[in-house]
Amino acid sequence: EIVLTQSPATLSLFPGERVTLSCRASQSITSYLAWYQQKPGQAPRLLIYGVSNRATGIPARFSGSGSGTDFTLTITSLEPEDFALYYCQHHVNWPPGLTFGGGTKVEIK
Amino acid sequence: QVQLVESGGGVVQPGGSLRLSCEASGFTFSSHGLHWVRQAPGKGLEWVAFIRYDGSKNYYADSVKGRFTISRDNSKNTLYLQMNSLRTEDTAIYYCAKVPDSGEPHWGQGTLVIVSS
Repeated sequence: EIVLTQSPATLSLFPGERVTLSCRASQSITSYLAWYQQKPGQAPRLLIYGVSNRATGIPARFSGSGSGTDFTLTITSLEPEDFALYYCQHHVNWPPGLTFGGGTKVEIK
Repeated sequence: QVQLVESGGGVVQPGGSLRLSCEASGFTFSSHGLHWVRQAPGKGLEWVAFIRYDGSKNYYADSVKGRFTISRDNSKNTLYLQMNSLRTEDTAIYYCAKVPDSGEPHWGQGTLVIVSS
């Protein structure tokens, strides 16, 4: 079973700062890696899929990268609306299923 | 555009049953496998079940195996989750999700299930 570990659990930052979130897999995975943003009371919002593809309507300040076991989500300049919880997710081919990281909360400093 | 709309949530007593539905539009429903994912209050995301595009195979998380059944009606573009023997720990928002091998995933807005006496 593949485990996704996100670090750190919480980040305290100022608006305008650059942030890099980490997602580490317990074993090498394919390109089925996605990132979601979630705000209180809302459904997860897809940001990145296939490691580095921005979802429809997602601003260019969000980018994804990585390979093997180490993946990152970068926000180049934090906007007030970016303070939220972020999850990484892997799409398992066999047996079919989804695995999620524990999440990283990005909060205002 | 792809739309997934869940319904059927509500309050049920421990040991009770509930059936969730997910109505899909904007894509060829019968060509895609679909997932249920849940999120307990204040907790992370947990995968629940997957069904193949033709309904021929289902897969479940250990936490729901033997109690939940995923199914689909391709003539109605609708996904289902039959939940039996519900426990308090099944309290969560339940999302249906289309997560293809390639291309953009899509999720619904979720339906809330509360298991409480």
